[in-house]
Amino acid sequence: RKEVEQDPGPFNVPEGATVAFNCTYSNSASQSFFWYRQDCRKEPKLLMSVYSSGNEDGRFTAQLNRASQYISLLIRDSKLSDSATYLCVVPERNTGRRALTFGSGTRLQVQP
Amino acid sequence: DGGITQSPKYLFRKEGQNVTLSCEQNLNHDAMYWYRQDPGQGLRLIYYSQIVNDFQKGDIAEGYSVSREKKESFPLTVTSAQKNPTAFYLCASSTNQGIDEQFFGPGTRLTVL
Repeated sequence: RKEVEQDPGPFNVPEGATVAFNCTYSNSASQSFFWYRQDCRKEPKLLMSVYSSGNEDGRFTAQLNRASQYISLLIRDSKLSDSATYLCVVPERNTGRRALTFGSGTRLQVQP
Repeated sequence: DGGITQSPKYLFRKEGQNVTLSCEQNLNHDAMYWYRQDPGQGLRLIYYSQIVNDFQKGDIAEGYSVSREKKESFPLTVTSAQKNPTAFYLCASSTNQGIDEQFFGPGTRLTVL
């Protein structure tokens, strides 16, 4: 099993739709999680941090299910500008290094 | 403005040449990282440094070298020993204060001709 797994998509949705992505992780010791957004040929940028059961920021909601070891990202009222790849990121634990493990990303395409 | 800069943005190299990618940050972060990203893939850790004058190999260090002589700078050298160097290289930094978020520079796209 990969350490962090995501559905690569693409998710093609119309403007205004609600879309959700899931991410599963293998290290049960992980305590915090991140969603990064990456535009085509650009660097990843931090979208949301998740330290407890979830986090909400405007149209974006991240939820954590520790028992099932998955994190979800919900985007409401999708905008054209939300089109990007969303990376699920899990800090390493019990490895002796402060490193992040990145999923391969889920691509979202919002259509007019 | 605080941030991370990488140069050059695009780099072309002939096979057999070494090249050095620059990464500078003025965020006063202790930790710095180098990642490689291939099309359709996640980021893979090449090297990281948690403090000046110290660095550690990541998951794919073969064919790469780094130095960390100053807190602000963490250059990456791609040597001729790296078999498939064409990729998007990303530098990141973070604090060592228990917060794990990393902040990325704009990246260098390296193409070997």
